[in-house]
Amino acid sequence: RKEVEQDPGPFNVPEGATVAFNCTYSNSASQSFFWYRQDCRKEPKLLMSVYSSGNEDGRFTAQLNRASQYISLLIRDSKLSDSATYLCVVGSGGGADGLTFGKGTHLIIQP
Amino acid sequence: DVKVTQSSRYLVKRTGEKVFLECVQDMDHENMFWYRQDPGLGLRLIYFSYDVKMKEKGDIPEGYSVSREKKERFSLILESASTNQTSMYLCASSLSLAGVGQYFGAGTRLSVL
Repeated sequence: RKEVEQDPGPFNVPEGATVAFNCTYSNSASQSFFWYRQDCRKEPKLLMSVYSSGNEDGRFTAQLNRASQYISLLIRDSKLSDSATYLCVVGSGGGADGLTFGKGTHLIIQP
Repeated sequence: DVKVTQSSRYLVKRTGEKVFLECVQDMDHENMFWYRQDPGLGLRLIYFSYDVKMKEKGDIPEGYSVSREKKERFSLILESASTNQTSMYLCASSLSLAGVGQYFGAGTRLSVL
């Protein structure tokens, strides 16, 4: 069974700090990678795709390490509004069952 | 922006009732999905559809059926609701099955009493 593992947290981080968390995946044939953000009692929203070369969007940086089969998300200068659950999603390139969602990492930014 | 609309935010039904959850997307996406999300279990795929009138089982299809009569609409049906189907139900759509991200509706929180 394909697995995507995340540390559930919570990560309690002071405002302004840098925080990073990883997600490991078991299927070496995985081809697509995403980070989603989910606020309490809301739907998941696509935060960013993760490319082989890594990518950055403002304060957010995503990295892929195929050799060790993990992806990471780094948040710099964290804001109170970054408090959310971050879901790691991995696609195998096959059918829809090729998208596997992690259970999420809960991040709390403290003032 | 992609818009995925679920017909109800909250539903309360009784055991044994037939329940319809409706989902509409406005981006002409081929692929639509139904998930349920439960604490500690994450998102689990119930059914998906890659074209009109086409459907495929996901990880937990038991107790559910789906209907896709039009491209923009994907319905989830609970033939005879049971208390263990109390959950948050999320509909999603995407351009491809696994290569791009999915866009989610706001969710329907279903309580079966």
